Amino acid sequence: EAQVTQNPRYLITVTGKKLTVTCSQNMNHEYMSWYRQDPGLGLRQIYYSMNVEVTDKGDVPEGYKVSRKEKRNFPLILESPSPNQTSLYFCASSPHPDPLHYGYTFGSGTRLTVV
Amino acid sequence: DQQVKQNSPSLSVQEGRISILNCDYTNSMFDYFLWYKKYPAEGPTFLISISSIKDKNEDGRFTVFLNKSAKHLSLHIVPSQPGDSAVYFCAARPTGNQFYFGTGTSLTVIP
Repeated sequence: EAQVTQNPRYLITVTGKKLTVTCSQNMNHEYMSWYRQDPGLGLRQIYYSMNVEVTDKGDVPEGYKVSRKEKRNFPLILESPSPNQTSLYFCASSPHPDPLHYGYTFGSGTRLTVV
Repeated sequence: DQQVKQNSPSLSVQEGRISILNCDYTNSMFDYFLWYKKYPAEGPTFLISISSIKDKNEDGRFTVFLNKSAKHLSLHIVPSQPGDSAVYFCAARPTGNQFYFGTGTSLTVIP
């Protein structure tokens, strides 16, 4: 089944403890992206990647890092999480950078709570 | 600054009637627009798209209308079904790769 898989689905952590949220897609998509969803703010893009070893900042990159060493994986790294990073996170992928006809395929989300 | 706005947080419609979800944007450089549907505990799923060179795109019960002069986008669902109950996000982008999403409208279709 074609899908984007995020892990974990739920995570509670403490301020300052480094964490990684994994994202993997099995569709050979070139384009991958991370979003966070917050009440009243919709979905905001954190980082995106056009292809292996090519990443760029989205709208709200502060406090996050990403890497794209393989086409299928696009982990989101929080080096020193803070409570304002408590949010619902979505990973998404698309066959190519122009998703007009395909849209994005989203993962099921990771609900992160930083205390 | 919210570049894509969905001013109605919620909407209720009777089954069989038309649902109209609205979206306004501020950036005249936006050239691609998408609508996504999201059920609880799931990621958003792509619904329909439109390019700025068009003013209408239709796919089954779903039609998206674009009014560039008003910087306004709408999604029409006809006829509405209970399974359409979800949160709907519009998204827009200028030429390039960064999409801006609206805050979402929660649609409830009443049987």
